[in-house]
Amino acid sequence: SQTIHQWPATLVQPVGSPLSLECTVEGTSNPNLYWYRQAAGRGLQLLFYSIGIDQISSEVPQNLSASRPQDRQFILSSKKLLLSDSGFYLCAWIRKANTGELFFGEGSRLTVL
Amino acid sequence: GESVGLHLPTLSVQEGDNSIINCAYSNSASDYFIWYKQESGKGPQFIIDIRSNMDKRQGQRVTVLLNKTVKHLSLQIAATQPGDSAVYFCAESFSGNTPLVFGKGTRLSVIA
Repeated sequence: SQTIHQWPATLVQPVGSPLSLECTVEGTSNPNLYWYRQAAGRGLQLLFYSIGIDQISSEVPQNLSASRPQDRQFILSSKKLLLSDSGFYLCAWIRKANTGELFFGEGSRLTVL
Repeated sequence: GESVGLHLPTLSVQEGDNSIINCAYSNSASDYFIWYKQESGKGPQFIIDIRSNMDKRQGQRVTVLLNKTVKHLSLQIAATQPGDSAVYFCAESFSGNTPLVFGKGTRLSVIA
């Protein structure tokens, strides 16, 4: 079956510390993968998307970066977190080709103190 | 820039009543629209979708209506239940080749 896993589920980090959020997809190959961020009570902001290994597109300038070292692995990173990086980070992949329908993971909640 | 937005940020309905959540979009080239439901602390879940060559699509207790003339999308939930309480997002894309653009969301609260 097709599933998407994110970890950690929750994370509390001090300002200036590094970040690594991981996303893994199972049951599919060569998926288009996405990282979205959702601030408290807000909508979903697209951060990065990837159409293949080492192919990353950035949608907004920020201190975050993304990498795709393997076909089904998508990593969101930061060298130094800011308070404004707090939020709910969602990984997603396109489940139905030619539609854009995204299937989301359960999310990783990041609190930067 | 092009965007998808919502008319109402919050909606409270009595249990058993019908709910209508509205969405306006501005990209006339968008040809695929989706409604997602997001419960607290969880990722969004697909509810129903519609292509631009249709104006209505029905699912189980949900109906999506698309009015391309005024670029308006709505989600109707029949006999709203407490489990329907969540934030609902509309989203659009063009030919599935562009990332989904999401609206800001409407919080639906069901009053028992």
